[in-house]
Amino acid sequence: DAGVTQSPTHLIKTRGQHVTLRCSPISGHKSVSWYQQVLGQGPQFIFQYYEKEERGRGNFPDRFSARQFPNYSSELNVNALLLGDSALYLCASSWTGEDGYTFGSGTRLTVV
Amino acid sequence: QKEVEQNSGPLSVPEGAIASLNCTYSDRGSQSFFWYRQYSGKSPELIMSIYSNGDKEDGRFTAQLNKASQYVSLLIRDSQPSDSATYLCAPRGETGANNLFFGTGTRLTVIP
Repeated sequence: DAGVTQSPTHLIKTRGQHVTLRCSPISGHKSVSWYQQVLGQGPQFIFQYYEKEERGRGNFPDRFSARQFPNYSSELNVNALLLGDSALYLCASSWTGEDGYTFGSGTRLTVV
Repeated sequence: QKEVEQNSGPLSVPEGAIASLNCTYSDRGSQSFFWYRQYSGKSPELIMSIYSNGDKEDGRFTAQLNKASQYVSLLIRDSQPSDSATYLCAPRGETGANNLFFGTGTRLTVIP
């Protein structure tokens, strides 16, 4: 079975630009969560979706938005990129959101 | 603000020894707890989950939970060089806030 897949794997953007990151959960998993991990820190929660509805939002500015599609895949959008948005963005899926998460390999975003 | 505290390490143990990783958390409503292993440059990998007070064993790994003390630990017996990684403690928020909150992780080095 395919695991959680994320695309792209690496991305370089300029300050002020917009970025869209994509995630496909494990087949059958209905919950998708997004995390940001900067070097030397643990992952920080951004969003959780279950059955296409937002279940939770972390302490991130409104420049960050996300959505979940009918096939349970998800997109994370970040507008007006700042240098501080440079990080590894992780997508995780689970059956219900109440069990353990399986993480994808992440998207490494560099803002220059 | 939900907080998860872990010793950042690095924790160095000789091959074959027991590695003990500790974690305290602030959210008394947390009911589920997860340990992830993260190799350098990779995404987190779920290795243990624990939901009830006491010990849970899985192979060389033992998770221990004390909800009254808001403390969870991970013991790795017969440590191997391949266990060298950062270990992340992740309590799940109380029902209705299902996202995981991560500590900064403890970096473990197993010396051959």
